[in-house]
Amino acid sequence: EVQLVESGGGLVKPGGSLRLSCEASGFTFNKYSMNWVRQAPGKGLEWVSSIGYNNYYMYYADSVKGRFTISRDDAKNSLYLQMNSLRVEDTAVYYCARTSNSWDFWGQGTQVTVSS
Amino acid sequence: EIVLTQSPATLSLSPGERATLSCRASQSIRKYLAWYQQKPGQAPRLLISDASNRATGIPARFSGSGSGTDFTLTISSLEPEDFAVYYCQQRSNWPPITFGQGTRLEIK
Repeated sequence: EVQLVESGGGLVKPGGSLRLSCEASGFTFNKYSMNWVRQAPGKGLEWVSSIGYNNYYMYYADSVKGRFTISRDDAKNSLYLQMNSLRVEDTAVYYCARTSNSWDFWGQGTQVTVSS
Repeated sequence: EIVLTQSPATLSLSPGERATLSCRASQSIRKYLAWYQQKPGQAPRLLISDASNRATGIPARFSGSGSGTDFTLTISSLEPEDFAVYYCQQRSNWPPITFGQGTRLEIK
């Protein structure tokens, strides 16, 4: 059974940092591209970042470029999102999702709240 | 950046009725459109990929059609569990990957 489990969210002050993790199981992690997407309270879905298998590519939304870094550790079946210089507008539920044609599996999300 | 516009914003229907949701792209995305369903407090779930391919385990009452700039998600006969928010997503020309703003399907 494919599972994606996010962790690392929490409450942080503006300008602070957090590192999100997404642990994958039930599939061969190193064969798939992965993604982060977020959803602000009461809002729609916003793509954040994507990473190819074998680190073939790393892309970011303009809203997070230069502040967030996506990475993966295939030995640990894990995806990461290092978030620096956090802003109030980064407050959202952050989901990881697997790419297989479309985004076929999603985690349950982790809440990030940026507030003073 | 490709903009996806979903209509209507809210659709009020009764169980058993047919639902038709629209997604329009600002430029051609060929067939590279997906549909997702999201219920409150849950992660989105893939329904349709590449405009018309039902994902594994998705009931046959869900169907997708379209190509280029105009796409449709149809639910042939609404079940109580179908009332949710639906998003379209394009992966034709990225980055960025973009989503529509969502259609809320509510019980009339």
